Amino acid sequence: GESVGLHLPTLSVQEGDNSIINCAYSNSASDYFIWYKQESGKGPQFIIDIRSNMDKRQGQRVTVLLNKTVKHLSLQIAATQPGDSAVYFCAEIRISGGYNKLIFGAGTRLAVHP
Amino acid sequence: NAGVTQTPKFQVLKTGQSMTLQCAQDMNHNSMYWYRQDPGMGLRLIYYSASEGTTDKGEVPNGYNVSRLNKREFSLRLESAAPSQTSVYFCASGFQPQHFGDGTRLSIL
Repeated sequence: GESVGLHLPTLSVQEGDNSIINCAYSNSASDYFIWYKQESGKGPQFIIDIRSNMDKRQGQRVTVLLNKTVKHLSLQIAATQPGDSAVYFCAEIRISGGYNKLIFGAGTRLAVHP
Repeated sequence: NAGVTQTPKFQVLKTGQSMTLQCAQDMNHNSMYWYRQDPGMGLRLIYYSASEGTTDKGEVPNGYNVSRLNKREFSLRLESAAPSQTSVYFCASGFQPQHFGDGTRLSIL
């Protein structure tokens, strides 16, 4: 089976509820932030990003909030569905030497129950 | 739309064996990356290539070599595999954001 995420914190929600996944980042100089979703046996899949000069960005059923004062990022998923069950990673981006240096958080497992 | 394709998907090696992991992308990206992912952790960068013909070390390069064969392909080589290199390896390409393949699950006995 998939070994990724064995010891991750888990958020359990009921189908149809809203989910909030939180992330603390380390460097106030990071240029922007990304949320990735990783399903079992798959690679990380881009969900939404936000630049450091913004505090909120909305996508389809997802909203990312950035609080630079406390270096905190959150991902809100509206009307959570069973297909949302996955491990969610935040990543902070520092542009360095012509490439994007991705610093990943440890991840949170979202379990959606019918 | 294939995106980023990695081969093989699974591999078991004995300590000391060598192996090359292959990665190809069809999105015409300049930048490509190799990461490893260990249980309970996020991804850590092994090597990256900002453009064809260039490669640089990431966070955990020891025990690995890479080749940027052309714009599409970026391979990762383990010259003498060690049990500590048991992991899931991901290739990615792109800039903002990076796009990932589905990984190679590598076990070293």
